[in-house]
Amino acid sequence: GAVVSQHPSWVICKSGTSVKIECRSLDFQATTMFWYRQFPKQSLMLMATSNEGSKATYEQGVEKDKFLINHASLTLSTLTVTSAHPEDSSFYICSARGSSSHNEQFFGPGTRLTVL
Amino acid sequence: GQNIDQPTEMTATEGAIVQINCTYQTSGFNGLFWYQQHAGEAPTFLSYNVLDGLEEKGRFSSFLSRSKGYSYLLLKELQMKDSASYLCAVVDSNYQLIWGAGTKLIIKP
Repeated sequence: GAVVSQHPSWVICKSGTSVKIECRSLDFQATTMFWYRQFPKQSLMLMATSNEGSKATYEQGVEKDKFLINHASLTLSTLTVTSAHPEDSSFYICSARGSSSHNEQFFGPGTRLTVL
Repeated sequence: GQNIDQPTEMTATEGAIVQINCTYQTSGFNGLFWYQQHAGEAPTFLSYNVLDGLEEKGRFSSFLSRSKGYSYLLLKELQMKDSASYLCAVVDSNYQLIWGAGTKLIIKP
C-alpha cells in the first residue's frame, strides 16, 4: 500500500514558538493532502485540505494565520503551528490521497505536539 | 447537515464476534471506509464499500446498504489486539471524507 511519513514523530516546544510538521507521500503522488488534529479520546477533526500548488481550504474555526499549510509539491505538505500555546498540544495527523486511490486516504503516523 | 452515527463504546469477549454499526446521512455518497485506530497511533485502513453487500477480508467483514444509509463492520474470532477505536467515514458528493466519532472496542479475556 501507499506510504505516508510524518516528521517529527513528537515535539516539545515552549509557548510562543513555531513548529513545522512535514508530511510526505513516499511512493505515490498526492494530489490532495489533509491535516487532522485529534485530542485525547476524541475523533479526528479535519483542519484543512490542500491541493498541490494551491491555497489550503480551512475548516470553520481553524485559524489560517495560525496553522500555515504549504503543499508545494506532489509529495510534500507542511503544517506550521505559529506562536504555539499549550492548548495547541495535540496529535496532528496528515493523510494523502492520490488520483487513483478511489478516494482512500493514506495516513501518516502522526505527530504528537506538546507545548509547555 | 451531514451526520455519521456509531456507538461510542462496545465490549466483547476474546474469541467472540462483534458487529459495529454505522448509519449516515450525507449529501451524496461515493463510498464508505472503515479504519482502525489504536491509542496514540494514526488510523489504518480496513475496508472500503461503494456497492451494496458484504465484503469479507479475513476476520473482518464490512457490509453496506445504501438505501438504508447503513453499514456494519463485523469482527470474528476476536483477539486482544483488536482492542481499538473503529472509525466509519463516508465520502460525500464533493469527495470529502465525513468522519464518525469512532467506536471504542474493548476486548475482555
